[in-house]
Amino acid sequence: AQSVTQPDIHITVSEGASLELRCNYSYGATPYLFWYVQSPGQGLQLLLKYFSGDTLVQGIKGFEAEFKRSQSSFNLRKPSVHWSDAAEYFCAVGPLSGGYQKVTFGTGTKLQVIP
Amino acid sequence: GAVVSQHPSWVICKSGTSVKIECRSLDFQATTMFWYRQFPKQSLMLMATSNEGSKATYEQGVEKDKFLINHASLTLSTLTVTSAHPEDSSFYICSAMGLASFSTDTQYFGPGTRLTVL
Repeated sequence: AQSVTQPDIHITVSEGASLELRCNYSYGATPYLFWYVQSPGQGLQLLLKYFSGDTLVQGIKGFEAEFKRSQSSFNLRKPSVHWSDAAEYFCAVGPLSGGYQKVTFGTGTKLQVIP
Repeated sequence: GAVVSQHPSWVICKSGTSVKIECRSLDFQATTMFWYRQFPKQSLMLMATSNEGSKATYEQGVEKDKFLINHASLTLSTLTVTSAHPEDSSFYICSAMGLASFSTDTQYFGPGTRLTVL
């Protein structure tokens, strides 16, 4: 069964500092990996996704993530955090099967940004 | 592209009544829609998957007679919580995948519906 682990429940960073959110997955084949962001009381917005090819993926809002098969990781990074990045971040993994995609979400990492 | 809406954004109802939540894909045809439930400070729990014109597939432990899902068109799916009780209070989020090139392999999420049952 596929699973996703986000080991950090809560992270606090200073505005302008770099950020790395960790994500480890368990899946039997090459996974499809996603990062979503959720602002309070809102739905999820797709930041980026990895299916194949270049293991460094660029997303929206200046985020990037690197797929490392040997470590079963897909960590999210941003070189300089803005106050508006404060939100909850979810990593997700899934296969593509049967014409639709069922993903498994991690438990999320809540990011707090301090001035 | 990839805009999904939900209505209502929040609803309060009395115990025993039924509530319908709509999920619409606004700029693409959604062949598959998903319904999730999210408890406070927790991750998303998939409730069911619906393909247009077919019966929904429910996840283990989800009562299909309580959570009625209809996906009658390529742009609309509805979730009806029947005979709602306070324990059904939650944040319900839908997502959609479809035929457009940007939507065939990625779920796009609605803004969610906050349900409070008194």
